Amino acid sequence: GAGVSQSPSNKVTEKGKDVELRCDPISGHTALYWYRQSLGQGLEFLIYFQGNSAPDKSGLPSDRFSAERTGGSVSTLTIQRTQQEDSAVYLCASTYSGDTQYFGPGTRLTVL
Amino acid sequence: AQSVTQLDSHVSVSEGTPVLLRCNYSSSYSPSLFWYVQHPNKGLQLLLKYTSAATLVKGINGFEAEFKKSETSFHLTKPSAHMSDAAEYFCVVSARAQKLVFGQGTRLTINP
Repeated sequence: GAGVSQSPSNKVTEKGKDVELRCDPISGHTALYWYRQSLGQGLEFLIYFQGNSAPDKSGLPSDRFSAERTGGSVSTLTIQRTQQEDSAVYLCASTYSGDTQYFGPGTRLTVL
Repeated sequence: AQSVTQLDSHVSVSEGTPVLLRCNYSSSYSPSLFWYVQHPNKGLQLLLKYTSAATLVKGINGFEAEFKKSETSFHLTKPSAHMSDAAEYFCVVSARAQKLVFGQGTRLTINP
């Protein structure tokens, strides 16, 4: 079946602009996670959605970052007023239950 | 808090020789542990996972890992390296709500 998909695969933006990154989880998966992979920080957790519960936003690095999940499926990660330190690969993962998370290919964000 | 330490940032082996990638973990409770692999410009792929069943875990592509509670280790091994094994490998522990905590990664190079 189809895996986790993310779009765009690459995004180049100018400092100060807003960007939206999209994640389509595997159909039927109830939990969705966003992670960030950057040279300086490695792979780090950003935010977690489980069903209809309030999201766990404990990993978001600043209030410029937000995310939503509509209809319990597709998720959008929004970064406002982008900064150069936001340049990274943003990874989305989903899972039905238990521990195994399935990752998408990521969105490479470059802030000039 | 959960954490993992990958003891080598880079490992280089010859094709056909054994592979050993080392990982130590820290967890306040019985952990779930994973190894993921990331090929260049690709997403993360699950190699194997440990969830308190058998301590020797077999994964895909001939990899296996052994959970040693007394040593707080979860080293990844493969008897014979193949050129296609060249990639970045991440040791991962599952924290609360299944948020994944990643090690810094080990880059595996295979020499012909």
